[in-house]
Amino acid sequence: GQNIDQPTEMTATEGAIVQINCTYQTSGFNGLFWYQQHAGEAPTFLSYNVLDGLEEKGRFSSFLSRSKGYSYLLLKELQMKDSASYLCAVRDQGSNYQLIWGAGTKLIIKP
Amino acid sequence: DVKVTQSSRYLVKRTGEKVFLECVQDMDHENMFWYRQDPGLGLRLIYFSYDVKMKEKGDIPEGYSVSREKKERFSLILESASTNQTSMYLCASSLARGGQRDTQYFGPGTRLTVL
Repeated sequence: GQNIDQPTEMTATEGAIVQINCTYQTSGFNGLFWYQQHAGEAPTFLSYNVLDGLEEKGRFSSFLSRSKGYSYLLLKELQMKDSASYLCAVRDQGSNYQLIWGAGTKLIIKP
Repeated sequence: DVKVTQSSRYLVKRTGEKVFLECVQDMDHENMFWYRQDPGLGLRLIYFSYDVKMKEKGDIPEGYSVSREKKERFSLILESASTNQTSMYLCASSLARGGQRDTQYFGPGTRLTVL
């Protein structure tokens, strides 16, 4: 079946680096998305990976390994405004190309 | 910038009422989606549409229906609201199917409470 796993909650310190992992099992992988969601707000798009490797976008980077069914989101130089939930979603060929969503990782940044 | 708007941020309804949630996007996107989001669960797809007057069931369509009469507008209807439909409802749209064009952009959400 299809499954996405992410840690429920993580804590990090302002200025530090944090890595949020996502593992997935799908019947036909067709791309992986990361979204950020602040409390009470809608998810906003961060990154998209379809090939293996690292995609860098400023302070945020996303990595994909299709053979391992694994991705991570790396946040550098953490700021208080990065406190949010981070959602991993995989597009699945076996689900009519719909997105399968993880439950999200709540990231708490401490001063 | 993509703009997706939803008709209400907060809504309180009574059990058995018919509820309409409206979503409008202004970027000529082909695809539109309705999700619900509950604590501890991932986003769950209710219905989606790839074209005007076209709809397909998602993972949890029971108790819901949708309408897409115009490309920019996608409505979610709760025929007879029940307390287990209390949730955050999120509408999203994407440009087209395939690749990064399928990146979904979300509206601000409607927090629905059914009493």
